[in-house]
Amino acid sequence: AQTVTQSQPEMSVQEAETVTLSCTYDTSESDYYLFWYKQPPSRQMILVIRQEAYKQQNATENRFSVNFQKAAKSFSLKISDSQLGDAAMYFCAYRILNRDDKIIFGKGTRLHILP
Amino acid sequence: KAGVTQTPRYLIKTRGQQVTLSCSPISGHRSVSWYQQTPGQGLQFLFEYFSETQRNKGNFPGRFSGRQFSNSRSEMNVSTLELGDSALYLCASSYSGTEAGGELFFGEGSRLTVL
Repeated sequence: AQTVTQSQPEMSVQEAETVTLSCTYDTSESDYYLFWYKQPPSRQMILVIRQEAYKQQNATENRFSVNFQKAAKSFSLKISDSQLGDAAMYFCAYRILNRDDKIIFGKGTRLHILP
Repeated sequence: KAGVTQTPRYLIKTRGQQVTLSCSPISGHRSVSWYQQTPGQGLQFLFEYFSETQRNKGNFPGRFSGRQFSNSRSEMNVSTLELGDSALYLCASSYSGTEAGGELFFGEGSRLTVL
C-alpha cells in the first residue's frame, strides 16, 4: 500500500533559524511526484514545492528546499530563515507519474515559529 | 483566474440529516477531488471526478457520494449524518491526472459540524 509518513506531529523553530520537516513514503513505483503543501491557520492549502522522482537534483523555491533520497524513500523539507508567516500545517504528499491516481497525503506537521 | 470555490463555507447539521457541498474548480480544470480533514486523521481522500466520471474512490461508506457536472462543477453529498462526519471538507481541482505536474489547487473548504 502507498503510504506517506510524517513522524513529527509538531515542531517549533526560532524566527530566522532553519528547520527541517521529515517525510518518508512507501511505494513500489519508480516514477512519481512528491509535494509539500502548506496550510496556514484558517487559510487555503497551497503548494510549497514539488519534486519529480526521476530528477536527481533537489528542488528549491526561495527559502524552501528539499532533500530527496530516492533509495531511502525520504523527502524532507528545509525552511531557511524562518518567518512568522511560515507558521502552518505542512503536508507531504505523493502521486504516481502518468497514472490517474489520487494524491496520498501524510498526516501533517504543525510548525510553530517563535518570535 | 478565479480559484477553487467551495460553498457553503460553514454549516451545522444534526444527526440523521443530509448535506450537499458544492465545488467550482478553476476554469479549464476537469479533475475535482474531495478530501475530509480531521485533527486525528489528517487528510483522507474521498473521491475524484474527471469529465463527469468517478475515477478514484477512497475508503468511505456509501453515505458519502458525489457527482460532477458537464461544466466540471462538483457536488458531494453525505446522507444520514453522524457525529464523526464533523470535519473540514476540502475540494481540489487540477487539469487532469498528472498534467501540469500533478499539482492540486485547493478551495478554502466547507466546515461541517454535526450536532
